[in-house]
Amino acid sequence: QLVLTQSPSASASLGASVKLTCTLSSGHSSYAIAWHQQQPEKGPRYLMKLNSDGSHSKGDGIPDRFSGSSSGAERYLTISSLQSEDEADYYCQTWGTGVWVFGGGTKLTVL
Amino acid sequence: QLQLQESGPGLVKPSETLSLTCTVSGGSISSSSYYWGWIRQPPGKGLEWIGSIYYSGSTYYNPSLKSRVTISVDTSKNQFSLKLSSVTAADTAVYYCASPPAFQHWGQGTLVTVSS
Repeated sequence: QLVLTQSPSASASLGASVKLTCTLSSGHSSYAIAWHQQQPEKGPRYLMKLNSDGSHSKGDGIPDRFSGSSSGAERYLTISSLQSEDEADYYCQTWGTGVWVFGGGTKLTVL
Repeated sequence: QLQLQESGPGLVKPSETLSLTCTVSGGSISSSSYYWGWIRQPPGKGLEWIGSIYYSGSTYYNPSLKSRVTISVDTSKNQFSLKLSSVTAADTAVYYCASPPAFQHWGQGTLVTVSS
């Protein structure tokens, strides 16, 4: 079964960097994922598609501070030079044959 | 640049059918490049995929909702729609339309409340 696992929460200081993790279920380590950001009281915004080899394609207007990487079944979203507006929920999402799946989301707090 | 916009009633009575429409602009809904999808988010909770439809009409539904969901495309209006039957309070959520597979484009979302 295709499942994505995310830590419920993360925190980092203003100006620092943070690395969020999304883990694919067993047998699905080759799958691409997408990262989405949801700021408080707003709808989700597509950040990037991230492939198993770490290559990624970002959405329009997404700052260079956002980057993605991969290792095995792990998919990462790194945000550098954290700003207050980066405080948000971050969801990973993937798809297979006839199925789409979201992770539970990580709530990022900028201290 | 694709743009999506949801529309439909904001209040639905229990046991009735929720109906929403997503209007697509900036691209043809019948393009072979596109899937179309619906996602929802109950208050204070995470995102849940409801279902997706390919331009050819092939549909894919979340198994947990499959018995109650119908997604269809109206190419003449460049729209696709969602119908969710026999709704309960648990179906209260913000409903989004978006463009699979990576949901690169999202609508702004519409809150649907199920209440008598």
